[in-house]
Amino acid sequence: DIQMTQSPSTLSAYVGDRVTITCRASQSISSWLAWYQQKPGKAPKLLIYKASTLESGVPLRFSGSGSGTEFTLTISSLQPDDFATYYCQQYNDYSRTFGQGTKVEIK
Amino acid sequence: EVQLVESGGGLVQPGGSLRLSCAASGFTVSSNYMSWVRQAPGKGLEWVSVIYTGGSTYYADSVKGRFTISRDNSKNTLYLQMNSLRAEDTAVYYCARDRIAVAGTYFNYWGQGTLVTVSS
Repeated sequence: DIQMTQSPSTLSAYVGDRVTITCRASQSISSWLAWYQQKPGKAPKLLIYKASTLESGVPLRFSGSGSGTEFTLTISSLQPDDFATYYCQQYNDYSRTFGQGTKVEIK
Repeated sequence: EVQLVESGGGLVQPGGSLRLSCAASGFTVSSNYMSWVRQAPGKGLEWVSVIYTGGSTYYADSVKGRFTISRDNSKNTLYLQMNSLRAEDTAVYYCARDRIAVAGTYFNYWGQGTLVTVSS
């Protein structure tokens, strides 16, 4: 199975900061990567698919990039509603593996 | 509007069984790939199982042989039959609608989740 590793595990930032989360795959997954946002007690919400395509309704401050084995999720100007945990997920193979998550906290 | 509503979670003893349900509205379950994804307390997300439109089913190695995914087209409902439950199966179980891409699938709609606790 493909392993997904996110970094950092926790990130502290101020409102207005530019934030970047990294996701690495154990083997090439082309651009078959999705990003989700999850708030406490809630289901995950799809943000980005195919590494860089923004899901409908997701604010433009979110962006994704990368291909192969290294990917990033960037929030250009962190807003109060963005404090949450973010997960990447590969869909290059049947195992649909997720990263372990990155918690974005208020500094 | 797409809605997924899970039910059937609860407390069960190790070795016991439980059946989860996911009632869908706003779309047809049998016309979509549907998955179960779980999240252990304080942990990350783990895909559990998928059922394809043609009825093929696939499982994570951690549940293979113990869990069975199915659907009832007349009720527009997805199920997860869980047998031989272990403490490590304790988690919130989400049903999710898959969006199909060229290589595989990701999840564009999620239910609110149902908690399964395996403990004596």
